[in-house]
Amino acid sequence: QKEVEQNSGPLSVPEGAIASLNCTYSDRGSQSFFWYRQYSGKSPELIMSIYSNGDKEDGRFTAQLNKASQYVSLLIRDSQPSDSATYLCAVNLWMNAGKSTFGDGTTLTVKP
Amino acid sequence: GAVVSQHPSWVICKSGTSVKIECRSLDFQATTMFWYRQFPKQSLMLMATSNEGSKATYEQGVEKDKFLINHASLTLSTLTVTSAHPEDSSFYICSARSPGSAGEKLFFGSGTQLSVL
Repeated sequence: QKEVEQNSGPLSVPEGAIASLNCTYSDRGSQSFFWYRQYSGKSPELIMSIYSNGDKEDGRFTAQLNKASQYVSLLIRDSQPSDSATYLCAVNLWMNAGKSTFGDGTTLTVKP
Repeated sequence: GAVVSQHPSWVICKSGTSVKIECRSLDFQATTMFWYRQFPKQSLMLMATSNEGSKATYEQGVEKDKFLINHASLTLSTLTVTSAHPEDSSFYICSARSPGSAGEKLFFGSGTQLSVL
C-alpha cells in the first residue's frame, strides 16, 4: 500500500463544473496536508494547506480533511481551462521536519 | 510567499561529465532544502535532504557518491550529478522550508531539466 494515494485519473470536467480530487494516506500520525498544482514541465506550486478536520476555503478551492478516515480532498469550483494541470497531494509527519510524502498526482483537464 | 531560485533551467551534457545545479533561497534563510527527481508522468521522488553545515541525508536507493549535495550556506544548496549517464536524464527540483511557516510548507525552485546524451 502506498503511503499517499490519489485518484488514478485522468479527470476531465467541463468548464464551470466542480472538480473533485481525492487523496488517502496511510500514516495516522500525519499532521499537515497540502495540495500542489503542477503544470507540465514546471515545478509544483502550493495551492492549499490544511491541518485540522473540516473544510478550508480559499477562493474557488476548498480543501477537506477527515483524519479519522485518513482522507483529504480538493474541490475546485467553477473550473477553468487554466486549472488543467496535475494536482499533487502531500502529507507531512511533524517529526519529519518538512519531508513531505507525495502522491502520484491526478491529472485534471477542464474542457471549454 | 518565499522565493526559491534554481539554476540552470535546463542543461544538456555528454555522458560521463558532471553537472552542478544550484538552489537558492532569495528572501529567507533555509536550514533545510530538499532535492527531488521527477520522471515524465510520475510524481516527485525525494532524493535527499540537504542540511546547512552538515552532511545530506539520502533516501534509500540514492547513490550519495553520484549525487553530491553541498549546503554551505543558509541560502544555497547545490546538487552535482557526477559522471552523468543517459539514465540520469530527468527533471530535478529543489525545495526549501521557509522558517516559521506553519505546517512545513515547501517552496519549490523552477526545476532543472537534465538531458544526458
